Amino acid sequence: KAGVTQTPRYLIKTRGQQVTLSCSPISGHRSVSWYQQTPGQGLQFLFEYFSETQRNKGNFPGRFSGRQFSNSRSEMNVSTLELGDSALYLCASSLGQEGQPQHFGDGTRLSIL
Amino acid sequence: QKEVEQNSGPLSVPEGAIASLNCTYSDRVSQSFFWYRQYSGKSPELIMSIYSNGDKEDGRFTAQLNKASQYVSLLIRDSQPSDSATYLCAVNLALSGGYNKLIFGAGTRLAVHP
Repeated sequence: KAGVTQTPRYLIKTRGQQVTLSCSPISGHRSVSWYQQTPGQGLQFLFEYFSETQRNKGNFPGRFSGRQFSNSRSEMNVSTLELGDSALYLCASSLGQEGQPQHFGDGTRLSIL
Repeated sequence: QKEVEQNSGPLSVPEGAIASLNCTYSDRVSQSFFWYRQYSGKSPELIMSIYSNGDKEDGRFTAQLNKASQYVSLLIRDSQPSDSATYLCAVNLALSGGYNKLIFGAGTRLAVHP
């Protein structure tokens, strides 16, 4: 069974640009969550999508947005990039019921110059 | 108070010893608890989930949960150098909107030396 697939693996952008990251969940998983990981803040929850609806949201500014498609694939968009957005962005999928474990993809390493 | 707290380490143990990793959480009604292992430069890998008080064993790993004390731990028996990684405790906080909002601790770095 294929795991969670994130593309691209690496991205270099400059301040002010925008970026879109993609995540394909494990087959059959309907929940996709996004996290930001930085050395200083650790793993922080961005948002969760289930059946094309945002079900939970973390404490990030509106520049961070996402969506989910009918095949459960999800995209995350960050607009007006700032230096502080440099991080590893991780996507995790699960079946979607409360308490179901989440499985992570390899992540997208975003560097802002 | 942080929602999920772990000792950042490093926790250094000799090969073959038992490594004990601890985690406390603040939300009394949390029901789901997870341990992830993260190697340097890699993504977190789920190694254990636990939902009920008591012990849950899987190979060399044992997770222990005490909801009354709001404490969850991970024991690694017969530690190997390949166990050297950061171990992340994650809690599904019931009061934070439900479902799949995992709150992670900062992680404990484990170093197993030969």
